[in-house]
Amino acid sequence: DSGVTQTPKHLITATGQRVTLRCSPRSGDLSVYWYQQSLDQGLQFLIQYYNGEERAKGNILERFSAQQFPDLHSELNLSSLELGDSALYFCASSVGTGKETQYFGPGTRLLVL
Amino acid sequence: DAKTTQPTSMDCAEGRAANLPCNHSTISGNEYVYWYRQIHSQGPQYIIHGLKNNETNEMASLIITEDRKSSTLILPHATLRDTAVYYCIVRVGRGSSGDKLTFGTGTRLAVRP
Repeated sequence: DSGVTQTPKHLITATGQRVTLRCSPRSGDLSVYWYQQSLDQGLQFLIQYYNGEERAKGNILERFSAQQFPDLHSELNLSSLELGDSALYFCASSVGTGKETQYFGPGTRLLVL
Repeated sequence: DAKTTQPTSMDCAEGRAANLPCNHSTISGNEYVYWYRQIHSQGPQYIIHGLKNNETNEMASLIITEDRKSSTLILPHATLRDTAVYYCIVRVGRGSSGDKLTFGTGTRLAVRP
């Protein structure tokens, strides 16, 4: 158990819908990262927040957005969902920035029908 | 971040040492070598990391060559539970592009009974 929690574990929805994935980092961790893992793309970095502020963006679609709240939990919002958004979404956290080790949550499996 | 090259798949017998190689010939002086593994579709699990010295923890040992162009992850006594995809990642300690992990395709390790 990494100490990172993600909800829900599974999500099934329809195209065009909007969903919110939630992540609670390990106690004391200020950085939160979101990654997407699809069959054809592998594990891809989406976005990073540090202490409430966006720190880095990866290949995140404009239909996707995220935020980190004052209690440091984070939410990833996916809208106008398409079949290709079906994937595993992982959250990771680290103490700070730089070379600190990232610890991953169990993931949310999203299926868009 | 430097690109890494790993064999697509490997296998070893249960109880024997598993030696997983990684090539990172373009690594820079300030880049660390990290190893993660992913068991089935679970969240990636941190194993070990190092800069230039060999490292050991309760899970594995990391051997980095003197020129730092390659490394080997050693699982001293592999068990069936070690069957997973192993990712070798090279990353800077602190970068302007944030602190993301760039995952390649990894090595699929199968431990045989």
